[in-house]
Amino acid sequence: GENVEQHPSTLSVQEGDSAVIKCTYSDSASNYFPWYKQELGKRPQLIIDIRSNVGEKKDQRIAVTLNKTAKHFSLHITETQPEDSAVYFCAASIGAGTASKLTFGTGTRLQVTL
Amino acid sequence: EPEVTQTPSHQVTQMGQEVILRCVPISNHLYFYWYRQILGQKVEFLVSFYNNEISEKSEIFDDQFSVERPDGSNFTLKIRSTKLEDSAMYFCASSEGLAGGPSTRDTQYFGPGTRLTVL
Repeated sequence: GENVEQHPSTLSVQEGDSAVIKCTYSDSASNYFPWYKQELGKRPQLIIDIRSNVGEKKDQRIAVTLNKTAKHFSLHITETQPEDSAVYFCAASIGAGTASKLTFGTGTRLQVTL
Repeated sequence: EPEVTQTPSHQVTQMGQEVILRCVPISNHLYFYWYRQILGQKVEFLVSFYNNEISEKSEIFDDQFSVERPDGSNFTLKIRSTKLEDSAMYFCASSEGLAGGPSTRDTQYFGPGTRLTVL
C-alpha cells in the first residue's frame, strides 16, 4: 500500500521567513496530494492540494510543487506569520472522484517565532 | 460554508463497552470516511463508505468496528467492545465524489472530531 514520508518533523522559523516541508510517496498510482493544517485540538483543514497533471500550484503565500518522477511534493509558505504555527500534514491518494482513502504523512510541527 | 459535524465532542467509556460516534456529512457529498488519530501521531484511515456499503477498510477496522448510514443525514461508527488502545480522536470526513467538479471531487472535508477515552 501507499507510504508517505514527511520531513522535517519540527520546523522553527522567524516571522517573515519561508518554510518548506517535504513529502515522498511510494505508490506511483497516487495522483492527488492535499496538505492539511491542524491546530491544537482542532480538525485538519485543507489548505492547498495538487493533482499529478500539474507541477506547481500557488495560493497567496502558500505553494505546492510536485515531482512525479521522483515521487515527492513540497509545501512552501512564504512570509510566515505567527498564525501559521500549527502541525502540517501531507497526504496522498488515488483520486478519481471515488471513495479514495488519504494516506497521511507523520506531520511537521511548524513554529513561527517573533 | 457547510461543514461536517460530529457528536459527541468527547466520549469517556469503560473498556468492553460499546460506543457509537456520530457524524453528519456535508449534505450533497456522496463519500464518507472515518479516520483516527492517536495523540501526537498521524491521521490513519479506517474506512470509506459509498452507496450504503463499505468501499475500503484498513487493517485497523476489524470485526469490532462497524459503520452505518441509518438515515439520509447521519453516518455512524460503532465500536462493539472498546479496548484501551481505541483511545484516540476519531474524525469523520466527506467528499463530493464524481458529483463534484474536477477541482473538488476528491477533496475531503473533516469534522471537528470525537475524542474517545477508554478507561
